[in-house]
Amino acid sequence: GAGVSQSPRYKVAKRGQDVALRCDPISGHVSLFWYQQALGQGPEFLTYFQNEAQLDKSGLPSDRFFAERPEGSVSTLKIQRTQQEDSAVYLCASSLQLQGTNYEQYFGPGTRLTVT
Amino acid sequence: AQTVTQSQPEMSVQEAETVTLSCTYDTSENNYYLFWYKQPPSRQMILVIRQEAYKQQNATENRFSVNFQKAAKSFSLKISDSQLGDTAMYFCAFMKHGSSNTGKLIFGQGTTLQVKP
Repeated sequence: GAGVSQSPRYKVAKRGQDVALRCDPISGHVSLFWYQQALGQGPEFLTYFQNEAQLDKSGLPSDRFFAERPEGSVSTLKIQRTQQEDSAVYLCASSLQLQGTNYEQYFGPGTRLTVT
Repeated sequence: AQTVTQSQPEMSVQEAETVTLSCTYDTSENNYYLFWYKQPPSRQMILVIRQEAYKQQNATENRFSVNFQKAAKSFSLKISDSQLGDTAMYFCAFMKHGSSNTGKLIFGQGTTLQVKP
């Protein structure tokens, strides 16, 4: 079946603009994760959803970052009043569930955000 | 808090040779998972291999194997018979196990591997 998809793949925003990044997880996957990956670095956790419930948002760097998954499938990461330090690749991952052996996370291609 | 350290920013290997990528981690947890992910230049992260901490036996997946030393908190990846398609950035990652587990992965800084023809 189809993998995790993300859109747009590339986004250029002027400082101060709001952006919305979309993630379509694999159908039926309960868990959804957002990560931020700075250039040349490893991804860093932002937030986690189990179905529509946001159970962990400890990694969101500021209150300008907001994520939702209202129907338990598609998720949107919104960044308000973008700053240059927000420039990064934003990765989405989904997994079937956290229990047993079904914890493998499948990653999307990412959205590269450049703030000018 | 858990941390993952990859001390080799860049490595290279000749095609068909063997290479080992290093990873150390720090945790007070007893039950956890460890992973190696591959991120080719196209940037889609792919799982290479995983290890459950409670398992003594080192995981193996075809040309990829790990050397898991729990006491030393070391988790290295060995790639045998390196192929040009192995060229990528490799990330070591940690995940807690248990009821408090939210499933988040903690990644190392990555090692860029170049396989040379």
